[in-house]
Formats: sequence, C-alpha cells, structure tokens
Amino acid sequence: GAVVSQHPSWVICKSGTSVKIECRSLDFQATTMFWYRQFPKQSLMLMATSNEGSKATYEQGVEKDKFLINHASLTLSTLTVTSAHPEDSSFYICSAEWQPNSPLHFGNGTRLTVT
Amino acid sequence: GQNIDQPTEMTATEGAIVQINCTYQTSGFNGLFWYQQHAGEAPTFLSYNVLDGLEEKGRFSSFLSRSKGYSYLLLKELQMKDSASYLCAVRSGSGNTGKLIFGQGTTLQVKP
Repeated sequence: GAVVSQHPSWVICKSGTSVKIECRSLDFQATTMFWYRQFPKQSLMLMATSNEGSKATYEQGVEKDKFLINHASLTLSTLTVTSAHPEDSSFYICSAEWQPNSPLHFGNGTRLTVT
Repeated sequence: GQNIDQPTEMTATEGAIVQINCTYQTSGFNGLFWYQQHAGEAPTFLSYNVLDGLEEKGRFSSFLSRSKGYSYLLLKELQMKDSASYLCAVRSGSGNTGKLIFGQGTTLQVKP
C-alpha cells in the first residue's frame, strides 16, 4: 500500500536555528503533498500545499518566508522551519494521496521542540 | 468559510456501540474522511464517503448526507484499543486534489 515516510521523527533545536523536515512517498509518485501542524490537544491545521515543480500554496496566516517548502521531485517534499522560535514547537505531519480522490496517507510526523 | 464540528469528548463502554457525529459547512465538497489518531502518532485512515449513504468496513461504518452537511462514524463492539481521537475531514476545493480540512477531533475513551 501507499507509504509516506517522514524524517526526522523528532528534533530538538535552539532558538534561531533552522530545521529541515523531509517527506517521501516510498512506492508512488505524489504531485501534491500537504503539510500540517498540530499543537497539543488540537486538530491538524493545514499549513500549505506542496506542488511538484512549482511554488507551494500557503494557508492564510502561515508565513511563507518562515516555512520554506520545496517539492523538487515526485517523491520528495521538504519543509524548512527557518529561525525557529519556541512557539514553533509542534507536531508537523506531511501527507500525500497516491492517486486522485484517494485518501491522504500520512507520514509518522516530526515532533519539533525549540529551546 | 470552512467549519467542521464534532463533539470534543465521548465516553463509551467496552463492547458497546458509539456514534460520533460531524457537521460541516465548506466552500466545496469532494469527499468526507474519518481518521483515527492515537496520542503522539499520525492519523490513520478509517473510511471515506463521497456519495450519500452508509459505508461499512468491519466494526467501523460511516454515513454521509450531503444535503444536511452531516456525517457520522459508527464503532461497534468497542475495544479498549479504540480509545483515541477521531478526526472528521472534508476535502474541499475544485478538481480531484482538493485540500483536506480537519475538524477539531473527538476524543473517545473506552471504559471496561
């Protein structure tokens, strides 16, 4: 079945540094991937839609210069949290659909802690 | 605007049946999904409705009424491992690859 791999599973970084999170579709090509963020005891909030070969589409209120998304190939999208601050500490989850109209498959998520 | 509502918490007894409701108002509709999420883990897909009616998958069933903007997830023969958060999500937007918007989730606690 469709598998989405996300790396790293967790990361601790110092305030002001940048962190890159990778999302890979292992057995299918994903022209579109979605990045979500989840704060404790809250639901998933869509941050941006990552489109292969073009610019990402960001949701309202999400800073595109802070959350850099690159979707350079059909199997890889990356999210870079730049100049991280403690309020960026969250659970970041990527997802992809293996074919149009199919359910989204999620990566295992990345727990980011900014100290 | 986009609005998806679910109860925040529910409690049920092992072996019983529980129904989790979801109402939605979205700018577009191209399917409604239910996901299960255990604490600290990513969501896992449970069911999908795009047409009105009931979809059954083992102990889990999901119902959709597009005219009412309403869905429910039915869990039968509850087990302790079913204690989790259940997320209702609507695919909106145009075309086949619309984005998925999630409700706030329903935390289900199954008691012995």
